[in-house]
Amino acid sequence: EAAVTQSPRNKVAVTGGKVTLSCNQTNNHNNMYWYRQDTGHGLRLIHYSYGAGSTEKGDIPDGYKASRPSQENFSLILELATPSQTSVYFCASGEGQNTLYFGAGTRLSVL
Amino acid sequence: QQKVQQSPESLIVPEGGMASLNCTSSDRNVDYFWWYRQHSGKSPKMLMSIFSNGEKEEGRFTVHLNKASLHTSLHIRDSQPSDSALYLCAATSNTGNYKYVFGAGTRLKVIA
Repeated sequence: EAAVTQSPRNKVAVTGGKVTLSCNQTNNHNNMYWYRQDTGHGLRLIHYSYGAGSTEKGDIPDGYKASRPSQENFSLILELATPSQTSVYFCASGEGQNTLYFGAGTRLSVL
Repeated sequence: QQKVQQSPESLIVPEGGMASLNCTSSDRNVDYFWWYRQHSGKSPKMLMSIFSNGEKEEGRFTVHLNKASLHTSLHIRDSQPSDSALYLCAATSNTGNYKYVFGAGTRLKVIA
């Protein structure tokens, strides 16, 4: 099965601090995604990418940046973290209109 | 912005019973629906997908799709306690952007 690895698994950050969430996939998928999951909202798309060097805004991009320096790596950056960004973040990879494979998630708390 | 609506929000069924979950998209460009299952504390995993009108069966799971109404449903027969999970519906469109939009999910609890 496709392997998607997220780090860190848990993170506590202070308000106003910078946070970087990392994602690595070893399946040579072109597409990668960052979602956040909050109770009552399911998965909401923050940013996605079609390949190295590309990033696209999802449905809730405000307050987040993304970086895709290589086929394997896709990062989510919170330049100035706020308590409203406390959530569980999932990275996923996929190819075309096929199954998405998710990482184990990162639980972020912003105090 | 495309919306995916799921109902009910939560569902309790007895062991051995039938669970029926619904999902509708508001985007006329949607041409593919996905059902993902997420057990507590775990990541979502794809359960079934459908893009043709009609139904598709895999073991105890059946998915229906009505493309005219952009409505899909997932039916789980002979429900087991291990089926207790959050079920997420996702939709992708034929615009080629490979953007997967998820609904808020249905939380299923199967009680013994």
